[in-house]
Amino acid sequence: DSGVTQTPKHLITATGQRVTLRCSPRSGDLSVYWYQQSLDQGLQFLIQYYNGEERAKGNILERFSAQQFPDLHSELNLSSLELGDSALYFCASSAREGSSAGRNEQFFGPGTRLTVL
Amino acid sequence: AQKVTQAQTEISVVEKEDVTLDCVYETRDTTYYLFWYKQPPSGELVFLIRRNSFDEQNEISGRYSWNFQKSTSSFNFTITASQVVDSAVYFCALSEQTGANNLFFGTGTRLTVIP
Repeated sequence: DSGVTQTPKHLITATGQRVTLRCSPRSGDLSVYWYQQSLDQGLQFLIQYYNGEERAKGNILERFSAQQFPDLHSELNLSSLELGDSALYFCASSAREGSSAGRNEQFFGPGTRLTVL
Repeated sequence: AQKVTQAQTEISVVEKEDVTLDCVYETRDTTYYLFWYKQPPSGELVFLIRRNSFDEQNEISGRYSWNFQKSTSSFNFTITASQVVDSAVYFCALSEQTGANNLFFGTGTRLTVIP
């Protein structure tokens, strides 16, 4: 158990819909990352938040957005869903409070499997 | 540009055999970090190791060992006396000093250990 929690575990929805994925980082971790794992694209970085602020963006579509709340949990919002958005979405956390914000290892949650029909 | 290559898509070994998973990386940074993660059939990503570019010392942890060679830009992972529980997809990843702390993953190597 990495200490990172994600809900829901599975999500099935239709094209055009909007969903929200939730992530709670490990206790004390300030950074949250979102990754997408799909068969054709592999594991891709989407976006990073550090202590409530957006830090970096990867291959994140404009239809996708995220935020990190004061209690450090994060949500990834996916809208106008398409069939190609079906994937496993991971949240990871790193950088315990008080440590340097260096290249700490990232600990991953169990993922949310999104199926768009 | 950064890149991680795991040329072995799938490997099958018989239990108790040793197996090496290859990882070759590309980066322009002089300081970078390399990682290995395991993804068992249950789907979660399990952190195995982090290596800093300025530390070329190889590491052993139980049946696992890692061989980091900057001269060949490789960070290979060896499992000694493989077990069925080692069956998983293994990912090598790179994080650069410049830019964000995000990980660039290879495409993974699926290891199947046959009893």
